[in-house]
Amino acid sequence: DTGVSQNPRHKITKRGQNVTFRCDPISEHNRLYWYRQTLGQGPEFLTYFQNEAQLEKSRLLSDRFSAERPKGSFSTLEIQRTEQGDSAMYLCASSLSGSSDTQYFGPGTRLTVL
Amino acid sequence: EDQVTQSPEALRLQEGESSSLNCSYTVSGLRGLFWYRQDPGKGPEFLFTLYSAGEEKEKERLKATLTKKESFLHITAPKPEDSATYLCAVQAHAGGTSYGKLTFGQGTILTVHP
Repeated sequence: DTGVSQNPRHKITKRGQNVTFRCDPISEHNRLYWYRQTLGQGPEFLTYFQNEAQLEKSRLLSDRFSAERPKGSFSTLEIQRTEQGDSAMYLCASSLSGSSDTQYFGPGTRLTVL
Repeated sequence: EDQVTQSPEALRLQEGESSSLNCSYTVSGLRGLFWYRQDPGKGPEFLFTLYSAGEEKEKERLKATLTKKESFLHITAPKPEDSATYLCAVQAHAGGTSYGKLTFGQGTILTVHP
């Protein structure tokens, strides 16, 4: 069990550029979640997948954000035409649906938009 | 809409000085209440899940309790290495407003001085 991994760990980009983050969940976990966390706040839910199906998207997820989970394994989160307000820590979590459904988080990707 | 409020926002303790953190919540059918620990620049680390009022769980110097409206995280004889942000989150039942996602509070920043 190697835990949830995220890449890159840090990303600095200029306003208007597109960025893509990757999340590799704990093997055998069928659920994968994306959250965003700004300084001094708790994580805010963005979207989640069960296997390859995207089951819910938050109102926070504007049209510039898109997430995929091909083949129900790793997931990518893309932000198009980044804005300074997108600067945050993007967290990925995974869980195994069932009795506990505990979400285990990765280390996060810190995005800075200049 | 599910809501979680944590208090205090920050807590400073001397080593060995026991105290409690509070998490008040409203949720449309509680499936689980989760406590996480987060160190600066890292993802949240799972501590406990509580499912029903009256339930208690312990781990080393931490003990979590749950009522129908709030949860407490009791810290007994804390050490400097317990310094971190402690996050509380709720998950609603399937068929509720949004099954799957966690709704987090803003966290309590705990500092333990030697």
